[in-house]
Amino acid sequence: DAGITQSPRHKVTETGTPVTLRCHQTENHRYMYWYRQDPGHGLRLIHYSYGVKDTDKGEVSDGYSVSRSKTEDFLLTLESATSSQTSVYFCAISFSRDRGQETQYFGPGTRLLVL
Amino acid sequence: GNSVTQMEGPVTLSEEAFLTINCTYTATGYPSLFWYVQYPGEGLQLLLKATKADDKGSNKGFEATYRKETTSFHLEKGSVQVSDSAVYFCALGDSGAGSYQLTFGKGTKLSVIP
Repeated sequence: DAGITQSPRHKVTETGTPVTLRCHQTENHRYMYWYRQDPGHGLRLIHYSYGVKDTDKGEVSDGYSVSRSKTEDFLLTLESATSSQTSVYFCAISFSRDRGQETQYFGPGTRLLVL
Repeated sequence: GNSVTQMEGPVTLSEEAFLTINCTYTATGYPSLFWYVQYPGEGLQLLLKATKADDKGSNKGFEATYRKETTSFHLEKGSVQVSDSAVYFCALGDSGAGSYQLTFGKGTKLSVIP
């Protein structure tokens, strides 16, 4: 199993509060990703990182920000949580974007409930 | 843009039945194709992959062949077990088109009954 941990694993918060989710990897992979999983939508990319301090937006980035100050850590922040951000959040890592090495490995997920 | 369409679930099979989960894709480039499996309460695990046309990915008795002419990557298993009950996701990666993300289908839930 890829060495990926996510914290917290479960969180309940109130609308309007800030929330930070952490992804930590021990594989020294360059690429890291945040996805959200919702019924009927599969997985959708929120943000990704292609190196320390190098990040970019994905398909559903509104209301989210990210930071990566170290290779091993990728943080996802909800500046002011809304009920529509209730979801399961997955972190993923990959070694490369090159064909054959672009496989993404996923963490165990964080279940977030915004009341 | 890229998209993945997989058969709607849920699918319920008896143990030892044959499984097929259909997956077709649309891609702007020449993608790699993946099947991931998600067991209840867990993250996604790579089940198998294929990186070029006519490649067959296989793992744990599951197989899928990359068919470029039909833009398909159907998942098959000859004899399912109760332990195969999970949600299965087909996905494509199209790094050649400049995309960093995997594009996922919506998932197919499989339940295998004894």
